[in-house]
Amino acid sequence: AQSVTQPDIHITVSEGASLELRCNYSYGATPYLFWYVQSPGQGLQLLLKYFSGDTLVQGIKGFEAEFKRSQSSFNLRKPSVHWSDAAEYFCAVVRGGYQKVTFGTGTKLQVIP
Amino acid sequence: DVKVTQSSRYLVKRTGEKVFLECVQDMDHENMFWYRQDPGLGLRLIYFSYDVKMKEKGDIPEGYSVSREKKERFSLILESASTNQTSMYLCASSSHTGTGHSPLHFGNGTRLTVT
Repeated sequence: AQSVTQPDIHITVSEGASLELRCNYSYGATPYLFWYVQSPGQGLQLLLKYFSGDTLVQGIKGFEAEFKRSQSSFNLRKPSVHWSDAAEYFCAVVRGGYQKVTFGTGTKLQVIP
Repeated sequence: DVKVTQSSRYLVKRTGEKVFLECVQDMDHENMFWYRQDPGLGLRLIYFSYDVKMKEKGDIPEGYSVSREKKERFSLILESASTNQTSMYLCASSSHTGTGHSPLHFGNGTRLTVT
């Protein structure tokens, strides 16, 4: 079955430091992959998506992610974290028809001054 | 901009009550979804609908039903609320491209407490 694993439940980084959030997927075909962000008390917002083509995709708020088929990974990165990036981040994969989406369990990001 | 509106931000209900969670989207999306979000479990799909009056079970449909009488509105129904249904409920919508390219647009969630 298709699944998504986010191995880090909680990550703390200093403001200005670089960030990498890990995501591994299990899927037979070429997956459709997403990263979403959830700020406290809010719904989820799309950060970026990968369907095909260039394996390095750019998203909103300065985020990027790289698709690596050989490692079944789709890690999210940001070169310099801002305090406003503190949120929970979800990796997701589309499975089946009608865009049923499987989400990872999320990584909560804390940013310290 | 797509707007997905969930009618209640917070709800407190008693065990055994019938509970309705309402969701409305304003972008003429074909697909609508109900997820529940619990700490450490991420988002789990309860039900989804790809057209009016059409519905499909997700991963955890037990104890829930849904209704979609109009394209813009998707209701989640807890027939007899139980304490293990205390959770954050998120509604989402997307357009149907047939290729899985359309991202989900989420409401802000309804935090339901069943006592």
